[in-house]
Order: sequence, then C-alpha cells, then structure tokens
Amino acid sequence: EAQVTQNPRYLITVTGKKLTVTCSQNMNHEYMSWYRQDPGLGLRQIYYSMNVEVTDKGDVPEGYKVSRKEKRNFPLILESPSPNQTSLYFCASSLSQGLGNTIYFGEGSWLTVV
Amino acid sequence: GQQLNQSPQSMFIQEGEDVSMNCTSSSIFNTWLWYKQDPGEGPVLLIALYKAGELTSNGRLTAQFGITRKDSFLNISASIPSDVGIYFCAGCDVGNNDMRFGAGTRLTVKP
Repeated sequence: EAQVTQNPRYLITVTGKKLTVTCSQNMNHEYMSWYRQDPGLGLRQIYYSMNVEVTDKGDVPEGYKVSRKEKRNFPLILESPSPNQTSLYFCASSLSQGLGNTIYFGEGSWLTVV
Repeated sequence: GQQLNQSPQSMFIQEGEDVSMNCTSSSIFNTWLWYKQDPGEGPVLLIALYKAGELTSNGRLTAQFGITRKDSFLNISASIPSDVGIYFCAGCDVGNNDMRFGAGTRLTVKP
C-alpha cells in the first residue's frame, strides 16, 4: 500500500529541547516536502527536496532543518523548538513537484511546544 | 510567499444543500487542485484541473479552472454528513516548481 508515514503523530515538548519528526515513503518518489498547518493560514511549505542530497527552503524555513540522505526518508529537525512552532505538520511526497495527482500526504504530526 | 485567497473560511449548511467555494490568486497557475482533509488525517486529492476553462466532475463534486488561470471554484451538490471537513485549493506553477495552498474552507453539514 502506498504510504507516507510520519512519527510521532503527537508530541508535547519543552522550549529548546531538540526534536526530530521522521517521514518515510514507500513509493520511490523523488520529491518530498514538509508543511505546517495553522488555523486560517492553510498549508505553508517549510522545506522541500527534489532528490537525494538536494533540499531547498520553502516559505517558512526559519527554525527548521531537514536532510535527505536516502530517497525514502526526509526528517524534519527542530534544533531549538519554540512555542510559535506549535502546529500540525504534514510530510508529503510525489513523483515530482507540481503533479497534483501523485501528491501523497502523511497523516500529520501534532506538535506542542511549551 | 503569497497564499491563495480562499473563501468562504467556513460554512454551516443543512444536509442536502449545495455548496460553493472558490480560490483566487494574483498569480497565474497552470494547474489547480482541490483537496479534502478529514479530521485527524492528511489532505486527500479530490480533483485536478490542468487547462483554463476546464470543468471536471467527481461524483457530486464539480470544479472549474478559471479562464484567467487565476481562479478556481469547487461545488458540492446535495451535501451529506460525510462531506464534513476542510477543503483546500492549491495552485501549481509546474515550470517554476511552485505550489501554493489556500487557507481552507471548513464545512459543517447538519443532518
């Protein structure tokens, strides 16, 4: 079954404590991206990756890092989380950017920073 | 980057009613997409539009790609309780690897 898997699904952490949200896809997709969803703002792109070892900033990259060492994995790293990073995060993958009928989203990761 | 303008932000309707929502942009897109997000889930693609003026249906859903390429609408006919969720539009500029989402329309359907 085609899947984008994120972990953890739910996390409460404290300000400044580094955390990583993992994302894995089993479809051999080249393109992967991370979004955050906030009320009234929709989905905003944090970072994306066109292929292994190729990453680029999206619209709201501040406070986040990513890596793409393998095709299937695209972890999102918060080195020093702050309360304004409390949000719902989605990982997505597709064969390539912009082909809407092949974009798959993960189930989301609820992050609360206190 | 600029987001799309999606309206309305929320709708409360009675089961059986028709629903209409739209997205506008100051930029031209060559693909428009409509997604639905159920509570606790990630967005799922409903309809993809690839040509200006294109009108596409998926069951009770109908979406159109505006002639100016700067807007799109989604209609849901004869709504049912399982239509509840958040609907997102997205515009894609494939040539520039750019994809933008609207802020979403939260739909509530009362039985």
